[in-house]
Amino acid sequence: AQKITQTQPGMFVQEKEAVTLDCTYDTSDPSYGLFWYKQPSSGEMIFLIYQGSYDQQNATEGRYSLNFQKARKSANLVISASQLGDSAMYFCAMREGRRGAQKLVFGQGTRLTINP
Amino acid sequence: GAGVSQSPSNKVTEKGKDVELRCDPISGHTALYWYRQSLGQGLEFLIYFQGNSAPDKSGLPSDRFSAERTGGSVSTLTIQRTQQEDSAVYLCASSLVWGSGNTIYFGEGSWLTVV
Repeated sequence: AQKITQTQPGMFVQEKEAVTLDCTYDTSDPSYGLFWYKQPSSGEMIFLIYQGSYDQQNATEGRYSLNFQKARKSANLVISASQLGDSAMYFCAMREGRRGAQKLVFGQGTRLTINP
Repeated sequence: GAGVSQSPSNKVTEKGKDVELRCDPISGHTALYWYRQSLGQGLEFLIYFQGNSAPDKSGLPSDRFSAERTGGSVSTLTIQRTQQEDSAVYLCASSLVWGSGNTIYFGEGSWLTVV
């Protein structure tokens, strides 16, 4: 079974609009962390935001926020006021277990294109 | 430098040759990961080192692939008898121990082309 599912292979959004990138996950471990990374065409992986399974509040980092719905096993990334520079691949990832015992597993990614 | 450093950044090799890819993690990071990304694809896990624990090698695609981490710091990924399907970007990442620093930082990758 897929651990991380990103159902949107591609998205097109108008500049300055908000965008939500979907991510669902599958785990039976009560301790896990969820990550979002951005990969522009240059290929580097840029860390955006992190949510721990025990965190009470949704994570926020500037224009990025994570809509964490634990019961639904959903961790959607919300980008407010999108910019042309937000065009990139976006990957959701999960690491299970305590003390870093488990590897980081990635979804297949969503290619986001911001139109002027 | 402050980030994860990988070398070489680009490597073109002939089919059948061996290649070594190097990763220098962020100082103090005990966890080190290797991933592979083929063109337009997601990230495929290869191997994971965590401190002195036995590495998780479950992602290595064949016995032509091996990795070691010397002194808990620098890691080398070796691909023997390279094949064309090995062409990909090889990404290294590092992090602190779980619970004391959750962010996992990636290097810029080593682009491998097998001709």
